[in-house]
Amino acid sequence: QVQLQESGPGLVKPSETLSLTCAVSGYSISSGYYWGWIRQPPGKGLEWIGVIYHSGTTYDNPSLKSRVSISVDTSKNQFSLKLSSVTAADTAVYYCARKYGSGSVVAFDIWGQGTMVTVSS
Amino acid sequence: EIVMTQSPATLSVSPGERATLSCRASQSVSGNLAWYQQKPGQAPRLLIYGASTRATGIPARFSGSGSGTEFTLTISSLQSEDFAVYYCQQYDNWPPLTFGGGTKVEIK
Repeated sequence: QVQLQESGPGLVKPSETLSLTCAVSGYSISSGYYWGWIRQPPGKGLEWIGVIYHSGTTYDNPSLKSRVSISVDTSKNQFSLKLSSVTAADTAVYYCARKYGSGSVVAFDIWGQGTMVTVSS
Repeated sequence: EIVMTQSPATLSVSPGERATLSCRASQSVSGNLAWYQQKPGQAPRLLIYGASTRATGIPARFSGSGSGTEFTLTISSLQSEDFAVYYCQQYDNWPPLTFGGGTKVEIK
């Protein structure tokens, strides 16, 4: 079955760039689907960060003020998130996820386990 | 940006009873609404999309209804494994995709 696994540093200094990777197994990213990032600050709700299609088309959350960069590496079957100029407010569990189906439903049916990223000096 | 508001924040229910959770959108999202369940330490799980269609493997005791700005998730007879936090999410007008603040269903 399709599985997603996030990886990256658990601690990032303020003003630096957070970098995470999501490895996909059981499915070839180049075959389709949108792949997304969602985060959850400790004890709080979910916030959508952005999505990328296998072709490289991306959409991201305007509230993150152009700090987001999402890319895909089909040769490694993974996609990545970079969030620049981080502050303590970016401390959260970061999830990668797959958008359900190929149609107009933009919900996420397969999720990684999540990775906690703390922003602190 | 469409704001999603869930109520109540916490719902206390006894096992076997019905739970009714509400989600309101700041403007119409038609039927473009999903519900998720999240248990402590776990990733969210997709329950419902299209306001009322159960995702693969979701038990029939979970049902969704509504359209426009008012939506409801009903759990017909709460099982022990259903105590969790539930989130709604709209995908009618995006970016951004937006989530509600969540409803925690706890044991009464």
